[in-house]
Amino acid sequence: EVQLLESGGGLVQPGGSLRLSCAASGFMFGSHAFSWVRQAPGKGLEWVAAISGSGLTTYYSDSVKGRFTISRDDSKNTLYLEMNSLSAGDTAVYYCARISMIVILIAPNDFWGQGTLVTVSS
Amino acid sequence: EIVLTQSPGTLSLSPGEGATLSCRATQIVNSGYLAWYQQRPGQSPRLLIYDTSTRATGIPDKFSGSGSGTDFTLTISSLEPDDSAVYYCQQYGIPPLTFGQGTKVEIK
Repeated sequence: EVQLLESGGGLVQPGGSLRLSCAASGFMFGSHAFSWVRQAPGKGLEWVAAISGSGLTTYYSDSVKGRFTISRDDSKNTLYLEMNSLSAGDTAVYYCARISMIVILIAPNDFWGQGTLVTVSS
Repeated sequence: EIVLTQSPGTLSLSPGEGATLSCRATQIVNSGYLAWYQQRPGQSPRLLIYDTSTRATGIPDKFSGSGSGTDFTLTISSLEPDDSAVYYCQQYGIPPLTFGQGTKVEIK
């Protein structure tokens, strides 16, 4: 069974940092690219970042570029999102989503985790 | 950046009716790399359609996608209470990948 389990969310002060993790199981982790997608309370989906299966290609939304870093550790079957300089606008549920292929730009997100809530507030 | 605009914002329909959801892009979606997702209340999104018209694994044929270029449609036939959800389109052909703002489908 495919499973994606996000962790690392919580309350953080403005200007602070947080690292999210997504532990994957039930499939060949290295054969897939991944995305992070977030959803502010009561709002729609916002794509945040993506990383290829090799880890060599990454893309970011303009709203997080320079502040967030997506990475992966294939030895641990784990995806990460390092978030710095957080502001209230980053408050959201953050979803880890598997891309159905090893590359990013020709395949959809075919499986999603349950999400982890990040709240940025003083 | 490709902006996706979904319409209508909300659809309120009766069981058994059909629904037509629209997704319009500000530029041509590369190779039809357009997906539709369903998000029921309190749940994570689920992939319904990808590559404009291909149903994802396990998705019933009451869901169908069509379109090309900048105009895409998700059609849901014979609505059931379980179809109450927000539906999002996403283009994954040109970075940054983008989502539409969603269409809420309510079953009366």
